[in-house]
Amino acid sequence: RKEVEQDPGPFNVPEGATVAFNCTYSNSASQSFFWYRQDCRKEPKLLMSVYSSGNEDGRFTAQLNRASQYISLLIRDSKLSDSATYLCVVNTNAGKSTFGDGTTLTVKP
Amino acid sequence: DAGVTQSPTHLIKTRGQQVTLRCSPKSGHDTVSWYQQALGQGPQFIFQYYEEEERQRGNFPDRFSGHQFPNYSSELNVNALLLGDSALYLCASSLDLGFDGYTFGSGTRLTVV
Repeated sequence: RKEVEQDPGPFNVPEGATVAFNCTYSNSASQSFFWYRQDCRKEPKLLMSVYSSGNEDGRFTAQLNRASQYISLLIRDSKLSDSATYLCVVNTNAGKSTFGDGTTLTVKP
Repeated sequence: DAGVTQSPTHLIKTRGQQVTLRCSPKSGHDTVSWYQQALGQGPQFIFQYYEEEERQRGNFPDRFSGHQFPNYSSELNVNALLLGDSALYLCASSLDLGFDGYTFGSGTRLTVV
């Protein structure tokens, strides 16, 4: 079983749709959590950190459930420019980071 | 403010050869992590350098080694290249343990033939 698991998708949604991605992790010592976005053949870019209290940045909302070892990302009012692969990342307090294999989103007109 | 820079951008090597990849971290960052990303997969953690020491290591063989210099820049060395080492190699920098996230370079695409 992988340390960080994501539904690979692909998710194909129309513009304006709301879409949610899930991620589970197995290392209970994990301390910090992130969502990154990666466009085709580009480097990953930090989208947002994920906190236990939940956090929101515009159309994006991230949630963390430590008890269930589960992270989510919600995108509201999807735009064409949101098409990308979304990577869930889990860090231990020793500095090791583990990436999921990503969930691919395609937003269509 | 320069971000993370990696060189070279592309590289073709023959099986059995050795390769060195280079990374300069974002200004103000002191930690460098290296990742290998195969097509269709997420980045796999190779190792992390802090204060010129390897602090953490992923599940990669000893053929993969690295170094961090006093100016925080870093090198990744891979010996005895295998076809399976063909991948995108990403360098990421952060402040210490990266609780604020990592900044990635655009990567070096290594092809082993």
